[in-house]
Amino acid sequence: DAGVTQSPTHLIKTRGQQVTLRCSPKSGHDTVSWYQQALGQGPQFIFQYYEEEERQRGNFPDRFSGHQFPNYSSELNVNALLLGDSALYLCASSPPGGTYEQYFGPGTRLTVT
Amino acid sequence: GENVEQHPSTLSVQEGDSAVIKCTYSDSASNYFPWYKQELGKRPQLIIDIRSNVGEKKDQRIAVTLNKTAKHFSLHITETQPEDSAVYFCAAMEYGNKLVFGAGTILRVKS
Repeated sequence: DAGVTQSPTHLIKTRGQQVTLRCSPKSGHDTVSWYQQALGQGPQFIFQYYEEEERQRGNFPDRFSGHQFPNYSSELNVNALLLGDSALYLCASSPPGGTYEQYFGPGTRLTVT
Repeated sequence: GENVEQHPSTLSVQEGDSAVIKCTYSDSASNYFPWYKQELGKRPQLIIDIRSNVGEKKDQRIAVTLNKTAKHFSLHITETQPEDSAVYFCAAMEYGNKLVFGAGTILRVKS
């Protein structure tokens, strides 16, 4: 049973560019949350997707957008990259049925130069 | 919104000793409190969690306690081993399934 997977593992982009990160949830899970983890800090909530809709959003600008597909996989898009967007981007999936557990993927390390 | 504070930021213990990490939260409506272990370069791993209707939960060498009145919860690791060395994060779940994390505790177990 595959856990949460993310691609790519690492990414280097230039300031001003756009990036798309991908996440496949754990088998049987239907909710996907995205977090940004800066070096030496705890993860910060970006947004959550359920039934292909953004259900909740954290304190991130509109440059951060997402999508969830019918197979529950998800994408995170970041436009107009800033140096401060350099971080580990984590995806977490949750099972259906109102349970709260969130299981994280390995993350995508984004470096903006 | 929710705010989670975590202490200490670093903790060094001798192998076999116990380790305790404490967190406080601000939103009394928060109802789920997980703990994650993150080794260097790896994903956060859910190690134990507790819901607001439970005061204590134990899983082998780890336990979590919750005091809803005081709005604090703690992670207890007994008989620590070198492989317990990692960064530990507490979190509280706001309404709507949003996790708010503490800043993390670096645990070093010396052998």
